[in-house]
Amino acid sequence: KAGVTQTPRYLIKTRGQQVTLSCSPISGHRSVSWYQQTPGQGLQFLFEYFSETQRNKGNFPGRFSGRQFSNSRSEMNVSTLELGDSALYLCASSSQEGDTQYFGPGTRLTVL
Amino acid sequence: AQSVTQLDSQVPVFEEAPVELRCNYSSSVSVYLFWYVQYPNQGLQLLLKYLSGSTLVKGINGFEAEFNKSQTSFHLRKPSVHISDTAEYFCAVSTPGSSNTGKLIFGQGTTLQVKP
Repeated sequence: KAGVTQTPRYLIKTRGQQVTLSCSPISGHRSVSWYQQTPGQGLQFLFEYFSETQRNKGNFPGRFSGRQFSNSRSEMNVSTLELGDSALYLCASSSQEGDTQYFGPGTRLTVL
Repeated sequence: AQSVTQLDSQVPVFEEAPVELRCNYSSSVSVYLFWYVQYPNQGLQLLLKYLSGSTLVKGINGFEAEFNKSQTSFHLRKPSVHISDTAEYFCAVSTPGSSNTGKLIFGQGTTLQVKP
């Protein structure tokens, strides 16, 4: 099976803009989780979707949002970008709740 | 709330020497435990996992880990490391069946530096 894919791999934006990142899970996986990775804060959970429903959300401002489509593909959106949003954004998929999460290569977002 | 502590931020070791990367967790409920590895500019790759059963878990690339419930630890070991093992290693926990569905809690990571 193909692994988790994320697009784009690299992105450069300026403050105030918005950005949309995409994640395609492993075929058959219905759960997608998103994480932000920064040198200072490490890996932090953003949110998790299962069958198009957000089931869990981390402690991030409302500028961070996501959605999941009927084919399990997921997108996350960050509005009004801030310099501190520069990070590696990782998505992970799993077949069901509590199961092992498999990660994509990430999207490196740089905010100037 | 759950938390994960990786006791060493950096571990330097010579090639072919054994290594142990330490991980302790805190949780009032049952947990699943994972070790992931991250190579530069890449995502996380699963090394091994403990869900239930035998407390000694074997993973890929010759790594193994032992779950110790009384000490709330899940240390990662390899008897002989290679240069190619140089990477960052993350310990993570999840709490299945709880309100934290789909959420992994990670430690801060340990950088393994294998020297020739």
